[in-house]
Amino acid sequence: GENVEQHPSTLSVQEGDSAVIKCTYSDSASNYFPWYKQELGKGPQLIIDIRSNVGEKKDQRIAVTLNKTAKHFSLHITETQPEDSAVYFCAAITGRRALTFGSGTRLQVQP
Amino acid sequence: GAVVSQHPSRVICKSGTSVKIECRSLDFQATTMFWYRQFPKQSLMLMATSNEGSKATYEQGVEKDKFLINHASLTLSTLTVTSAHPEDSSFYICSASQYIMNTEAFFGQGTRLTVV
Repeated sequence: GENVEQHPSTLSVQEGDSAVIKCTYSDSASNYFPWYKQELGKGPQLIIDIRSNVGEKKDQRIAVTLNKTAKHFSLHITETQPEDSAVYFCAAITGRRALTFGSGTRLQVQP
Repeated sequence: GAVVSQHPSRVICKSGTSVKIECRSLDFQATTMFWYRQFPKQSLMLMATSNEGSKATYEQGVEKDKFLINHASLTLSTLTVTSAHPEDSSFYICSASQYIMNTEAFFGQGTRLTVV
């Protein structure tokens, strides 16, 4: 089955700096890669996603890049704000299966 | 995005009792719903996948008699933790997808279950 690895496990940045979280996946058939933000005690919230026929997608301060050859994808957050502090999960999906999640990255934005 | 409502958000129950958690898709019909369990500071672990009108598919190691899942309609799935024990205490989260393949999965708010 699919295996998704996520790095780093924790990330601390200064407000205004950029943050990058990276994930790799194992199943070359995976073709949908969402990113979720989870705040304490809440369910994950979809923040951006990308499909395998696209190399990059941007939504305001958030962008995701996908390298199918290398089987990795990354989340980029620019101009970070304290409210960006949360746990971020990448995920991958193949066909009709459920999402396979990465292990999560705890992002701390220092004001 | 679509809204998935999960209820209750918190529940405390006594050992040996059963607890039902509801997951509703409010503004779309969910062909597939998923149930996850999350331990503190860990990732989401898939427990089972349910399709409307059919039996749930459980992941390896998940006891189907312990965690009963019913997906009776396109907008409602329930997870019942039967004969709960303290080790069942966890954060349970549902998600729902509108289509079968490769579509956005929207998550409920989660349910914090504490068994005393």
